[in-house]
Formats: sequence, structure tokens, C-alpha cells
Amino acid sequence: EPEVTQTPSHQVTQMGQEVILRCVPISNHLYFYWYRQILGQKVEFLVSFYNNEISEKSEIFDDQFSVERPDGSNFTLKIRSTKLEDSAMYFCASSGDRGDEQYFGPGTRLTVT
Amino acid sequence: GQNIDQPTEMTATEGAIVQINCTYQTSGFNGLFWYQQHAGEAPTFLSYNVLDGLEEKGRFSSFLSRSKGYSYLLLKELQMKDSASYLCAVRAYSGAGSYQLTFGKGTKLSVIP
Repeated sequence: EPEVTQTPSHQVTQMGQEVILRCVPISNHLYFYWYRQILGQKVEFLVSFYNNEISEKSEIFDDQFSVERPDGSNFTLKIRSTKLEDSAMYFCASSGDRGDEQYFGPGTRLTVT
Repeated sequence: GQNIDQPTEMTATEGAIVQINCTYQTSGFNGLFWYQQHAGEAPTFLSYNVLDGLEEKGRFSSFLSRSKGYSYLLLKELQMKDSASYLCAVRAYSGAGSYQLTFGKGTKLSVIP
């Protein structure tokens, strides 16, 4: 069964450093998403991406965040200058159409020290 | 904005039936999803309602009443492996040609022998 994959599974970084989280969505899906979940809290929408551009972003997704689809398979989330409060689980998701259910990857646990 | 409410925790007995309720207030409603999330793992899709009524999927059923802003997830023949958090998520049209999925805080279900 096709699945969304994410790398790395765990990333530890120092405050102020840049991190890139990687995702490979399901191959025939067209809509891509990033969510985050701070430990013990709810899943929060960050951004959606379609046709090589951002279609929607939340208030959390400020100027230090960016997304990119550098090739036909990868979808990345970059955090330019990490803060302690960026520590969270980051989930990538994809869907075939914008109205379809979203399938989540296993997540990357980001720890900022 | 959107407001999604679901109970924080529930406990039920193996083999029994449990109903997890979700109420929501939103504009541009376009569907309600239920996801299961085991601790430290990604949410996995369970069911989806866009029209009023009951959707049945094996041991899981989900009900929606749009006029009441209410949904429930029904789990039958509970198994120990059903111990997890159950996330109610509302999809709403953002007005920018895309949809945004907003999650509730989740209901942590504990299944006991």
C-alpha cells in the first residue's frame, strides 16, 4: 500500500540553526500539507501546497518557514532559524484531490536545544 | 475561526461499544474526518462524513448532523489495540480556493480488560 515517508525520524538542532524536513508524498497525489504537533497538544495545520505553490497557510507559518518541491518526488519544510518553541512533531500529509482524505507520514520529531 | 470540542478522555471495556462525540462551529463547512492516533505515531484516517447520516466501516461508524454541528464516532467490539487518541477534524473552505483541516484536541480512549 502506498504511504507517505518522512526523513529524518528525529532531528536535534541548536537554536538559531536551519533545518530541512523531508517528505515523499504518495506518488499520484497532488496536494501536500505540513502539520505540527507540540507534545501533548493538538495537531495544527501549517501549510498546504498545490501546483508548485502555497495554497493556504496558517498564522504559525511565518517568514521563517518555507516549503519547496525541489523535484518530482520530494516535498520539504525549511525552518530558517529555529527557536525552542519549534520543538514538535512535524507531519507531512498528501491527498489525491483537495477534497480527499489526507494520508499522514510517520512524522519527524524536531528537538531544538 | 473554528471551534471543535470533544471529551478529553474516555474509558471503556474490551468487547463493549463506545461513542466519542464531537461538536464544532465553523464557516464554510466541507466535511468532518475522524483520525486515530497512537501515542508517538501519525494520525491514521478512519472515516469521513460530508452529508448527514451514518457511515459504517467495519467496527467503526461515524455520524454527522450538520444542522447541529455534531458528529460521533462509534467503535464496536472494542479491542485492546483500540486504545489511542481519536481526533475529530473539520474541513472548511478557506475562500482562497483551498480547504483547511482543523483538528480537535483529541479524545484519549483507554480500553480495559
